[in-house]
Amino acid sequence: AQSVTQPDIHITVSEGASLELRCNYSYGATPYLFWYVQSPGQGLQLLLKYFSGDTLVQGIKGFEAEFKRSQSSFNLRKPSVHWSDAAEYFCAVRGNNDMRFGAGTRLTVKP
Amino acid sequence: NAGVTQTPKFQVLKTGQSMTLQCAQDMNHEYMSWYRQDPGMGLRLIHYSVGAGITDQGEVPNGYNVSRSTTEDFPLRLLSAAPSQTSVYFCASSTGEGSLHFGNGTRLTVT
Repeated sequence: AQSVTQPDIHITVSEGASLELRCNYSYGATPYLFWYVQSPGQGLQLLLKYFSGDTLVQGIKGFEAEFKRSQSSFNLRKPSVHWSDAAEYFCAVRGNNDMRFGAGTRLTVKP
Repeated sequence: NAGVTQTPKFQVLKTGQSMTLQCAQDMNHEYMSWYRQDPGMGLRLIHYSVGAGITDQGEVPNGYNVSRSTTEDFPLRLLSAAPSQTSVYFCASSTGEGSLHFGNGTRLTVT
């Protein structure tokens, strides 16, 4: 079965600084990859997805992610973080009929 | 637009009690799934369904049953609750392209 690793449990960045959240996946075929965000006490919201084509995908709220097949990675980036970006971020990979998630990275934003 | 609706929002059970978590979606999605979210473990797939009358097990199915008699509803049953089932439960649905739409979750405590 497919799997996802998010190496960073918790990241703290200053407001206005750039952000990169790491995601590595394991899947035998071409992966469908996703990033979701969860604000405290809320459900998950889709930020962006990659199915095929251009390896740099744009999402909502100014986020982007780059698919690198050679590194089995799908890292999430944002050039300038806002205080409202503080949340938990989940990377996910879809297999034949199921979607598996990483353990998540909690983002804290310092003023 | 209701999207994915989960009830109840909160529930406290005693060990050995049974209950059903309800999930309904109004987007005519064929695919529905249940996840549990525990600190440091991300979301783990319990059961999923690719259409009415079809269900299958995910990563952590033990102690849970599901059925899918209609496209709209996908209830999750705990037959004999255990403290290890204390968690936040999320229901999700999707179209064929795989992006999940999540409910707001049910926080379950088993004492």
